[in-house]
Amino acid sequence: KAGVTQTPRYLIKTRGQQVTLSCSPISGHRSVSWYQQTPGQGLQFLFEYFSETQRNKGNFPGRFSGRQFSNSRSEMNVSTLELGDSALYLCASSLAKGLGEAFFGQGTRLTVV
Amino acid sequence: GENVEQHPSTLSVQEGDSAVIKCTYSDSASNYFPWYKQELGKGPQLIIDIRSNVGEKKDQRIAVTLNKTAKHFSLHITETQPEDSAVYFCAAVGSQGNLIFGKGTKLSVKP
Repeated sequence: KAGVTQTPRYLIKTRGQQVTLSCSPISGHRSVSWYQQTPGQGLQFLFEYFSETQRNKGNFPGRFSGRQFSNSRSEMNVSTLELGDSALYLCASSLAKGLGEAFFGQGTRLTVV
Repeated sequence: GENVEQHPSTLSVQEGDSAVIKCTYSDSASNYFPWYKQELGKGPQLIIDIRSNVGEKKDQRIAVTLNKTAKHFSLHITETQPEDSAVYFCAAVGSQGNLIFGKGTKLSVKP
C-alpha cells in the first residue's frame, strides 16, 4: 500500500512569491491535514480537509490556503511568501475525520530567500 | 489554549538501557494519544498510540501508559538500540479534531 506522497520535496522561493504544495493521501483515506514544522515552533496545525471541505483551520494568516479534490488529493498554497515561512510542510492522511491514526508524508522543505 | 508539554527535550542513554518520555496535556476531552518517531530528513512515523479507555498498550519494545486523571501519558522504550535514535513527538487530539504536538524529545542511544 503506497504511503502519503508529497511533492515537491524541496523548494526555494523568493520573498513575495507564491507557492503550491501537493499531497496525495493513502488510497482510501479521505482526510488530509497540513502541518508546518519549524525548529522554534515545532509542529503546528494549518488546516484539515475532508470530502473537499475545510473542516477546521489553525492559527495562520489568510496567506495560507488549501483545497482538496474529489480524489482526496490536496494542495496548499502560500501567497506573498515571507522569510518566516521557511519550514518543513507536512501532510497527514487519515481514514476519516476524527479517527486519529494520522500518517505523514516526507514533507516539502520550503526555503524562502 | 490547548497545549501538550513534553519532557525531556533531550535524552541520552546507553544501548540496552530503557528510555522514558513524558507528556502532559491540557484538554480533558482529549481521547487519543499517538506517538511519532521522526528521523532526519523524514516525516513523523506513527509508532504507537493509545485511546482514553485503555491504561497501557505494548508493542514489542515500546509501551505507552495513560493516566487520564492526571492528564499524563508516557512512552517507554526498553532494550534501546542505536536505530532508536531519533526525535520523538507525543500528541493529543484537540477540540477541533486536529493533533496538538509536544515540542519533541531528541533521543540518542550510544553504542
